[in-house]
This record gives sequence, structure tokens and C-alpha cells, in this order.
Amino acid sequence: NAGVMQNPRHLVRRRGQEARLRCSPMKGHSHVYWYRQLPEEGLKFMVYLQKENIIDESGMPKERFSAEFPKEGPSILRIQQVVRGDSAAYFCASSLGAGDSPLHFGNGTRLTVT
Amino acid sequence: QKEVEQNSGPLSVPEGAIASLNCTYSDRGSQSFFWYRQYSGKSPELIMFIYSNGDKEDGRFTAQLNKASQYVSLLIRDSQPSDSATYLCADGTNAGKSTFGDGTTLTVKP
Repeated sequence: NAGVMQNPRHLVRRRGQEARLRCSPMKGHSHVYWYRQLPEEGLKFMVYLQKENIIDESGMPKERFSAEFPKEGPSILRIQQVVRGDSAAYFCASSLGAGDSPLHFGNGTRLTVT
Repeated sequence: QKEVEQNSGPLSVPEGAIASLNCTYSDRGSQSFFWYRQYSGKSPELIMFIYSNGDKEDGRFTAQLNKASQYVSLLIRDSQPSDSATYLCADGTNAGKSTFGDGTTLTVKP
């Protein structure tokens, strides 16, 4: 009965490289959310996806960031041409339904841009 | 844009005391609220949710919701050192897209 699985746990990238973060939701969950947490700050919503659809990407920067949740396989958060300001913990969460459903979080990916 | 405000803390209480964590929200129409606990370097974990006005108790935890005042609180009775963590209040009304406060860091001193 696996929970939300994220990988990698830690990712180091040089400025200008690409970062790919993966998330497999909890079994039976079809709603996936990505959040970013900067040091000493709260969780900031980035994007909400269901299978093959982006439902809400209002929290995601317009440039360099993209997300997908294909029919088969994990959800991917992709950051192109990373900059030092992208260094943060990126958490994926899943839920059973859309409304009023609590979120189940993965262990996060700590991205460090050098 | 929804906002959730929490006392930034840090909050320090002695072991065995009651810890009181507070949260206000901006959207009068919001219906569902969650409290998550996050240990340092770890992911948030759900500890309580509340949808109706009044109190909801679960073990040592009590969540309180006052929709008229747009106020949510979490009380932790008989606080233990293991309760030391950051507590995140979230408005989860918007189709699952939860809006989080910045969290209150609680330290329980033995």
C-alpha cells in the first residue's frame, strides 16, 4: 500500500541545466498536485493535474516550468535552464477526489542549483 | 486570491501544556480546512481536517472552526517533545487546490 512516491530525493544541477522531478500518486488517486517550498517558507501551489490533463497551472511560472501526467507513468515536473532561485523542496501530493479531499504528500525532491 | 494567515511563531510551550495554533482565512465561502504537521526536512502529514463550525476532537488534538470570524485553530493537549514541528493550516476548499499558511513552528520543552 505504497504512498506517494517521488524521485529523486535530492537533485543537484548546475545553472542552465534541466531538472526532471517524478511523482507517482498513491494507488487509486488520480489527482496530482505540485507544491514548492522555499527555506523557512510555506507551501506554494504550482500545478494541479489529472491523467493527461492540466487542470490548474496558475501557480507555475510561465517560463521554464512545465508539468505533465501522462496516461501511463508518473507525473513529471520539468524545469529548464535552472537558476539558483529554483533551489527549493518540491513536493508532490495526490488526493482521491477534487473537492474537500485531504492531500497525501510524497517525501519531496530537494533541488539544489549550483 | 485566497489567503491563509498563521502566527509565524515560534511558539514554545512546556511539556504537558496546551499548545494553541491559530489561523485566519480570507475567503468567506471556504468550507474545508486541514492541519498538517511537518517535521524539519520532512514532508507534511495530515493530522486533522474540519468542515463544520465548532470543535472536532481526535485524541490530544482539537480543531476549531468559526466561519463567522473566518478563524481556524488547533489545540494540542498534554504537549509532548515529539509534537515539536511546524504546523501548516490549509484552506482546501478550491477543488483540492489547497492554499497553505506559512506555518507556525512549535517547540515543546521537556
